[in-house]
Amino acid sequence: QTVVTQEPSFSVSPGGTVTLTCGLSSGSVSSSHYSSWYQQTPGQAPRTLIYTTNTRSSGVPDRFSGSLLGNKAALTITGAQADDESSYYCVLYMGSGISVFGGGTKLTVL
Amino acid sequence: QVQLVESGGGVVQPGRSLRLSCAGSGFILSSRGMHWVRQAPGKGLEWVAVISHDGSGKYYADSVKGRFTISRDDSKNTLYLQMNSLNAEDTAVYYCAKAAFGVAPPADFWGQGTLVTVSS
Repeated sequence: QTVVTQEPSFSVSPGGTVTLTCGLSSGSVSSSHYSSWYQQTPGQAPRTLIYTTNTRSSGVPDRFSGSLLGNKAALTITGAQADDESSYYCVLYMGSGISVFGGGTKLTVL
Repeated sequence: QVQLVESGGGVVQPGRSLRLSCAGSGFILSSRGMHWVRQAPGKGLEWVAVISHDGSGKYYADSVKGRFTISRDDSKNTLYLQMNSLNAEDTAVYYCAKAAFGVAPPADFWGQGTLVTVSS
């Protein structure tokens, strides 16, 4: 069973840049995984930031960007703000209709 | 304005059934694939199931295969998740979400979620 991996936690300074990654326990992430990224604060529904690797969802600031970096999918936040402190989840499409979420990254802005 | 509203959650005994609904407004549900995603208390997101835009494809996570059924009523613009043989591990907030295209992962719109608690 392939596992989708994310950093459990990350910290960034206000105004700084951070790159969160989304990998596979076996193999490389490619565009055919249609990687997507979601932001979630406690008690709230997920909010889509990026879908199909690098398409920004409507209303999402352009300081959030998605890409493929090496053998992983990546979410880069430039100019981090205090309200970016959230959990971030990625999901990968595995084919045959199946999607798998990563375990999430808890981002601290301090 | 696109909106997804889930309903049908509640407290249910182990082994019983429950049907969740996701009513769409502002867009036609059958124009996109639609997902169910859940989140157990204090845990991460877990993909549950997806139905293709034309209803011909229905896919499930191994954890729910054979117990859950995803369906859609186009006349009501509503998505459903029929959940049978529920157990404590199914306790979660259940969200519906639009696919980017086909049965690709969730894209731009999510509902607010409905809580299912399986307990005796």
